[in-house]
Amino acid sequence: DAKTTQPPSMDCAEGRAANLPCNHSTISGNEYVYWYRQIHSQGPQYIIHGLKNNETNEMASLIITEDRKSSTLILPHATLRDTAVYYCIVRVRGSQGNLIFGKGTKLSVKP
Amino acid sequence: DTAVSQTPKYLVTQMGNDKSIKCEQNLGHDTMYWYKQDSKKFLKIMFSYNNKELIINETVPNRFSPKSPDKAHLNLHINSLELGDSAVYFCASSQVTGYQETQYFGPGTRLLVL
Repeated sequence: DAKTTQPPSMDCAEGRAANLPCNHSTISGNEYVYWYRQIHSQGPQYIIHGLKNNETNEMASLIITEDRKSSTLILPHATLRDTAVYYCIVRVRGSQGNLIFGKGTKLSVKP
Repeated sequence: DTAVSQTPKYLVTQMGNDKSIKCEQNLGHDTMYWYKQDSKKFLKIMFSYNNKELIINETVPNRFSPKSPDKAHLNLHINSLELGDSAVYFCASSQVTGYQETQYFGPGTRLLVL
C-alpha cells in the first residue's frame, strides 16, 4: 500500500468547513483512498473512500486530485464532536487485510 | 445493536497474570482483527483471522494467543502479562464487498498491567 503524508494537527472553528489534506504521491492506479477517524477513547470509525472521482456521503466529502497524488477530506460544517484524529489510508482495490495507520491529523474544532 | 463488542472495557491486573479479552461481531463478516494502540497512540495490527483461520500474525510475542471459536468471535488470551502490555486493544471485523472493504472497530479494551 502506498504511503501517505498528513499534517500532524489542524484547528477549525465550529460551524466552518474543515479541510484535511493528504498526500499520496506514490499511489498506483488500483489503490483506493480511505479515511477513518478516531475520536478520543473510541475505536476508529470509517468515514469515506474513493478511487478517482469525488465522493460524498452523510459524514463528509472526499476530493481527489486529477493526478490522484493528493486528496482532501471535507467536513462541511464541523462540530465539537468532530474533534478527532483523522487517518488517510491507501489500499489496493479489492484487498482485505489490516489497515496501516500512520500518525494522522489531530483536528481540533474550537467554539 | 452493537456491531463489534469487546469485554471487558477496562482490565487492571498484576504482572505475571493471565487474562483474556473477548470480541464478538454481529455483522456476519468473515474477517476479524486485533489491533494494539500503545501510549504513543500508534495503532498496529496484531492478528487477523478469516473464517476462523489465522492469516496475519505480526511479530507478536507468543504470550499472545488468539482464538476464534466461530466466525463471529475472536478472543485474545495473554499469558504472563508484562508492564509493556499496557495498551488499548481494539477488535475489528470486515468483509470485502465488490472492490471495497470497510473495517468496523469495537470500543476497545484498556489494559493496565501493574
